[in-house]
Amino acid sequence: SYDLIQPPSVSVSPGQTANITCSGKNLEDKYCCWFQQKPGQSPVLVIYEDTQRPSGIPERFSGSNSGNTATLTISGTQAIDEADYYCQAWDSGFGGGTKLTVL
Amino acid sequence: EVQLVESGGGLIQAGGSLRLSCAASGFSVSSNYMSWVRQAPGQGLEWVSVFYPGGRTDYADSVKGRFTISRDISKNTLFLQLNNLRVEDTALYFCARDLTFDFWGRGTLVTVSS
Repeated sequence: SYDLIQPPSVSVSPGQTANITCSGKNLEDKYCCWFQQKPGQSPVLVIYEDTQRPSGIPERFSGSNSGNTATLTISGTQAIDEADYYCQAWDSGFGGGTKLTVL
Repeated sequence: EVQLVESGGGLIQAGGSLRLSCAASGFSVSSNYMSWVRQAPGQGLEWVSVFYPGGRTDYADSVKGRFTISRDISKNTLFLQLNNLRVEDTALYFCARDLTFDFWGRGTLVTVSS
């Protein structure tokens, strides 16, 4: 079981906005990270400290964290964004992952 | 350039032991939090263990008492000793840097047979 709860799947049309949620007790009191993992590849950090983007991550990726829910938002979703996404917060481990389908 | 290269995985019988290595380059393991994270086939990510810069270590409950994390500063390498392995320890084991897991290796596969 996971302390951080994510929806198993999210679908979005190309060019639209995808929102992936991550719920956990008092999550706003912890920094949340988000990772993208494509098949056969290692995870890649796309958001850290709730809202920060590492260098090289496109601006269409953004994050927020309020109350018990952190959210990864992908604006103008592209086909290359199709992947599994995991949230993570220290002391809470990783969420179960969300498969993002772009169709 | 930051690089992490894991090695040491393999096929092992339940109850056996393995030692995984994570060779780092482009930064010093002594100055960073260094973690092991595993991923069972077709499953999600599971944090396993962390080595703090100051020397403290921590483990997931699922491996506590069986796995030991260590580092060799002279070799700039992180290790994970896996003892008393179980079938459910079968996974791809990654090492990752920092509390944000900003860099990951490609992983080394551990397969535990019954």
